[in-house]
Amino acid sequence: DAGVIQSPRHEVTEMGQEVTLRCKPISGHNSLFWYRQTMMRGLELLIYFNNNVPIDDSGMPEDRFSAKMPNASFSTLKIQPSEPRDSAVYFCASSFNSGRIETQYFGPGTRLLVL
Amino acid sequence: DAKTTQPPSMDCAEGRAANLPCNHSTISGNEYVYWYRQIHSQGPQYIIHGLKNNETNEMASLIITEDRKSSTLILPHATLRDTAVYYCIVRLRSNDYKLSFGAGTTVTVRA
Repeated sequence: DAGVIQSPRHEVTEMGQEVTLRCKPISGHNSLFWYRQTMMRGLELLIYFNNNVPIDDSGMPEDRFSAKMPNASFSTLKIQPSEPRDSAVYFCASSFNSGRIETQYFGPGTRLLVL
Repeated sequence: DAKTTQPPSMDCAEGRAANLPCNHSTISGNEYVYWYRQIHSQGPQYIIHGLKNNETNEMASLIITEDRKSSTLILPHATLRDTAVYYCIVRLRSNDYKLSFGAGTTVTVRA
């Protein structure tokens, strides 16, 4: 089991540039989550997909952020345009949600630095 | 979701048991207690969860008091690799995708 795979692991970009983060969930999982972690705010849920459909995007900070899940094995989180305050570690997590309690498994994260 | 309270930090000697407390005095009957940990520069890692019975797996044991207002995560033989931030999270069964990470307890295992 390869676990949740995220790419890139590190990203350094300049303010105003577009940033795309990628996630491959664990095979067979039907739920996918994007989280952001900063020293100031800790771990925050940005968006939750179930069966490739966005269910809860209330944590997405603003219109500059968008997330897609075109199929069960791939998701992207895009920031356009990026700003220095977007610098954080972005985690993707997946789980199998059968309607009962579920366990989320996290990827290694993407460390984003916006200059 | 019920709020949880954890000590900000604790030290533990290598090879000894680490007992991590968590208070959740406002927990309701259908809320589960979950524990995750985050080793430096890694994603959070699931450890264990329980409703009202004590639970044990290959990583740890979870002891939940009879009134369910508090719980203790036990790492039976702490190693240096157990140094991490440990998060106690209470989750509603019906809203079970929500994981609200607080500040957690920073556990440092010392040789």
